[in-house]
Amino acid sequence: AQSVAQPEDQVNVAEGNPLTVKCTYSVSGNPYLFWYVQYPNRGLQFLLKYITGDNLVKGSYGFEAEFNKSQTSFHLKKPSALVSDSALYFCAVREWTGGFKTIFGAGTRLFVKA
Amino acid sequence: DGGITQSPKYLFRKEGQNVTLSCEQNLNHDAMYWYRQDPGQGLRLIYYSQIVNDFQKGDIAEGYSVSREKKESFPLTVTSAQKNPTAFYLCASSIPDRNTEAFFGQGTRLTVV
Repeated sequence: AQSVAQPEDQVNVAEGNPLTVKCTYSVSGNPYLFWYVQYPNRGLQFLLKYITGDNLVKGSYGFEAEFNKSQTSFHLKKPSALVSDSALYFCAVREWTGGFKTIFGAGTRLFVKA
Repeated sequence: DGGITQSPKYLFRKEGQNVTLSCEQNLNHDAMYWYRQDPGQGLRLIYYSQIVNDFQKGDIAEGYSVSREKKESFPLTVTSAQKNPTAFYLCASSIPDRNTEAFFGQGTRLTVV
């Protein structure tokens, strides 16, 4: 079965500093990896995905993610954090088991301090 | 505007009651999903459907039931057999393909009183 792991429950960063939210994956075959963001009491919003091609993927709101096959990682990054980036971030992978479904990591809460 | 609508936003259930959460989408997606979110546990898949009149159990289907009579609708019933139903429930839809993202509703918060 495919899986993703987010090793940090929480990440704290000062506004204006770069941020990284970590994700590692375990998949058989080619990985199809995603990042989503959730604001309080809301549904998840898609940020970006890696399917194939360039290892650096650019997404919404200035976020990007770096795919590293040798380290089986897909870390989310942003060069300069904003207070409004504070939210819950989920790494995810798509899996086929009689139908396509998305498997989510446990989530990482990002706090950006002004 | 295209999107997914979940209703109600807040729902209170008495012990022993069945309740039904609504999920409607106008994105013309074939696949729909129900997830349960508890603090610190991420999202867990309850049921999913790839096409009308067909659905599969996810990881935590016990105590829940679904139907998929129309492409646009995927209601979730939380039955009295679900012993700990208090949670945030999220509905999603997508194109049934490996490389496509899911679109989420705004969620329903269910509380047992």
